[in-house]
Amino acid sequence: AQKVTQAQTEISVVEKEDVTLDCVYETRDTTYYLFWYKQPPSGELVFLIRRNSFDEQNEISGRYSWNFQKSTSSFNFTITASQVVDSAVYFCALSEAGDDKIIFGKGTRLHILP
Amino acid sequence: DVKVTQSSRYLVKRTGEKVFLECVQDMDHENMFWYRQDPGLGLRLIYFSYDVKMKEKGDIPEGYSVSREKKERFSLILESASTNQTSMYLCASSSGTRDPRGNTIYFGEGSWLTVV
Repeated sequence: AQKVTQAQTEISVVEKEDVTLDCVYETRDTTYYLFWYKQPPSGELVFLIRRNSFDEQNEISGRYSWNFQKSTSSFNFTITASQVVDSAVYFCALSEAGDDKIIFGKGTRLHILP
Repeated sequence: DVKVTQSSRYLVKRTGEKVFLECVQDMDHENMFWYRQDPGLGLRLIYFSYDVKMKEKGDIPEGYSVSREKKERFSLILESASTNQTSMYLCASSSGTRDPRGNTIYFGEGSWLTVV
């Protein structure tokens, strides 16, 4: 069965600090996709990134970076030099090949303090 | 850009009322979803539709039904609203696993429903 665990329920950091959000997943498939979404206070979930299981290269997009490690079944998300606008709930998600449903973790609420 | 539009942002309904939440997507996506989001429980799938008139129960279908008469539109129906259905409801769509780019799901803005 597939499962996504975000052990950090809530994190607070001071602006400009780096912060890493953890995501651990479980799946029996060898082909799967991992996602991160951001949910700001307005409520809409915004797609940030998708990785497939065959691509373990780390990805960087501006202040955001993602570390995918199959050996530990983790797909962690790091925000460098955090800003107040990064305050949101972040969700990690998993989709197995051939299954159109996507399973979400319970989310990590991130507070960036000015 | 993908656009998923939910008809109502905020609703207040009375217990026992029949409630319709409407959702429209403009990307010709095969799949549409209704999720419910509650504090501490994350996103829970209510129903999923993979084609017109086709539906599949999610994790918490009790008290809900859905309708998909057209590809772009997916409605969530609360037959007789109850106070424990007060929640944030999120509609989403995706192209499905047949898309070689991968099954990315796109969300609407959410509908905040209060049942009094």
